Amino acid sequence: GDSVTQMEGPVTLSEEAFLTINCTYTATGYPSLFWYVQYPGEGLQLLLKATKADDKGSNKGFEATYRKETTSFHLEKGSVQVSDSAVYFCALIFTGGGNKLTFGTGTQLKVEL
Amino acid sequence: EAEVAQSPRYKITEKSQAVAFWCDPISGHATLYWYRQILGQGPELLVQFQDESVVDDSQLPKDRFSAERLKGVDSTLKIQPAELGDSAMYLCASSLRQGPEKAFFGQGTRLTVV
Repeated sequence: GDSVTQMEGPVTLSEEAFLTINCTYTATGYPSLFWYVQYPGEGLQLLLKATKADDKGSNKGFEATYRKETTSFHLEKGSVQVSDSAVYFCALIFTGGGNKLTFGTGTQLKVEL
Repeated sequence: EAEVAQSPRYKITEKSQAVAFWCDPISGHATLYWYRQILGQGPELLVQFQDESVVDDSQLPKDRFSAERLKGVDSTLKIQPAELGDSAMYLCASSLRQGPEKAFFGQGTRLTVV
């Protein structure tokens, strides 16, 4: 079935460092891809999305590009801040699979001064 | 700003006891989702409602879990009897129309079964 694999955490970075969180997917068709963020004590929030190959999703300085050839959707940010500390989830929807969100296991990011 | 309300935020229960969680979606949202998030894993859909009707409960362990949304507004998720493996965060989400990516999530109820 459809699945998402993302790098394990926790990831600890210094403020202003470059961030990459890897995400790869397995799907029989062409899913829509998402990154969600869960800040401490808050609900899950949609961070960005891409619905077709070569699309780039972006929000709050974060970017991810839908790469069909490598089945990847890596999350990047050029300069992280302490306020970016959170758990990040990669997810997909394959409409042929009942239109369900399938999440990865999450990657915890901690940004230190 | 409108938000999805869940209660309680935390619940500790003994195994074999009954436990219930409540969710109040954003006003006007017809679609409601319950997810379970086990520690170290991503959320997994348990049940989806469209108004008061169940759209998908294929992953709901129906021998012990039940969910209802009687008037198509707020919803209750019940576990009876609770087992140690039910310890998890239970998330509720709602959306104006179908499409889980359009949903807004509540803060969740953290259940610990002892």
